[in-house]
Amino acid sequence: GIQVEQSPPDLILQEGANSTLRCNFSDSVNNLQWFHQNPWGQLINLFYIPSGTKQNGRLSATTVATERYSLLYISSSQTTDSGVYFCAVINSGTYKYIFGTGTRLKVLA
Amino acid sequence: SQTIHQWPATLVQPVGSPLSLECTVEGTSNPNLYWYRQAAGRGLQLLFYSVGIGQISSEVPQNLSASRPQDRQFILSSKKLLLSDSGFYLCAWSSPIVGGVTEAFFGQGTRLTVV
Repeated sequence: GIQVEQSPPDLILQEGANSTLRCNFSDSVNNLQWFHQNPWGQLINLFYIPSGTKQNGRLSATTVATERYSLLYISSSQTTDSGVYFCAVINSGTYKYIFGTGTRLKVLA
Repeated sequence: SQTIHQWPATLVQPVGSPLSLECTVEGTSNPNLYWYRQAAGRGLQLLFYSVGIGQISSEVPQNLSASRPQDRQFILSSKKLLLSDSGFYLCAWSSPIVGGVTEAFFGQGTRLTVV
């Protein structure tokens, strides 16, 4: 099946810093989403981005499906950005969202 | 608007006891439904998904089963819980479209501890 790898696995930032999270996938995909899992376990939808670039406030994402990767940019990070960030993809021809390995982000005040 | 309900939020069950977790979706018809499990500090593993009433696909052979008795209801069950069944269980839905599905949305999750 499709493999979804995220990097880095862990990231510690000072408040105000910028960061880039990466999601690599091993096969063609129809859909790609980015989620933020907060400390209570809730999965928050950030972006639905099968291709192209989107921005929402301090966050933006880019997916280059032909090269099989997606990037999530966090600018001017805040302590509330802490948590685990997941990408999830749907392999072409299936209906299943397969999650990446996650990036655990900690933003220090 | 669409909403997804999942309950209970937390559950402590003894080894060998049965399990029933319920998930319902409101505001949409014929959704694709999913059950995921997350072990402590780990990623999300797809357990089951369903594209229609009575249609269940199992991803990982294990001590659990799923059923979809109604269009917007998805149930995760076990006859006898094992310690290894402990984890955070999440239900999700997405809408089928031509050639695939739309964005997925998740419930609040159930934290299950088997003792």
